[in-house]
Amino acid sequence: TQLLEQSPQFLSIQEGENLTVYCNSSSVFSSLQWYRQEPGEGPVLLVTVVTGGEVKKLKRLTFQFGDARKDSSLHITAAQPGDTGLYLCAGDRYGGATNKLIFGTGTLLAVQP
Amino acid sequence: NAGVTQTPKFQVLKTGQSMTLQCAQDMNHEYMSWYRQDPGMGLRLIHYSVGAGITDQGEVPNGYNVSRSTTEDFPLRLLSAAPSQTSVYFCASRPRQATNEKLFFGSGTQLSVL
Repeated sequence: TQLLEQSPQFLSIQEGENLTVYCNSSSVFSSLQWYRQEPGEGPVLLVTVVTGGEVKKLKRLTFQFGDARKDSSLHITAAQPGDTGLYLCAGDRYGGATNKLIFGTGTLLAVQP
Repeated sequence: NAGVTQTPKFQVLKTGQSMTLQCAQDMNHEYMSWYRQDPGMGLRLIHYSVGAGITDQGEVPNGYNVSRSTTEDFPLRLLSAAPSQTSVYFCASRPRQATNEKLFFGSGTQLSVL
């Protein structure tokens, strides 16, 4: 059973378009992180959200943590080819008590020039 | 700064062979971990360590052993490789145990078991 489901699995868009990636669960998370992974490399942290309803912005990327802390979204405005990669959400269910970060299934984004 | 260094980058094994995947970090991080990445399944935790001499199991520990004799090194051992262990393996570390801290990943080891 996958605790964190991401949608869509694949997304191919043209440069300049907007997009939203979703990370959903039936479980509550004390915090949630978003990572981006490029081919042949390990994931790199983009943001951590910890409060229900929290919104964080990183240039053209907007991250939101759901009010009930069961879901999160990543919105990219005016996508660029450099945004291409695998986007992964990762959640902490037990406030650090278990040291186990659970990763989502991933969304593979391709931005065509 | 080197960060998290994994070796080798690629490896092909025959079923039943053993090998060790190396991981080293130069950031004096307490926490180190091993993940495997398979298509459509995200990253799954194999084993982790919260300090030298302390290790524990993650979600998918069967078929893998770890040890942590120093703060810097956290090798992953496959005692008898199976085709189901074909995957991309990532080592990751963070400064302390807090799960919401940033994880620093190595660049991965692509393993094929024939």
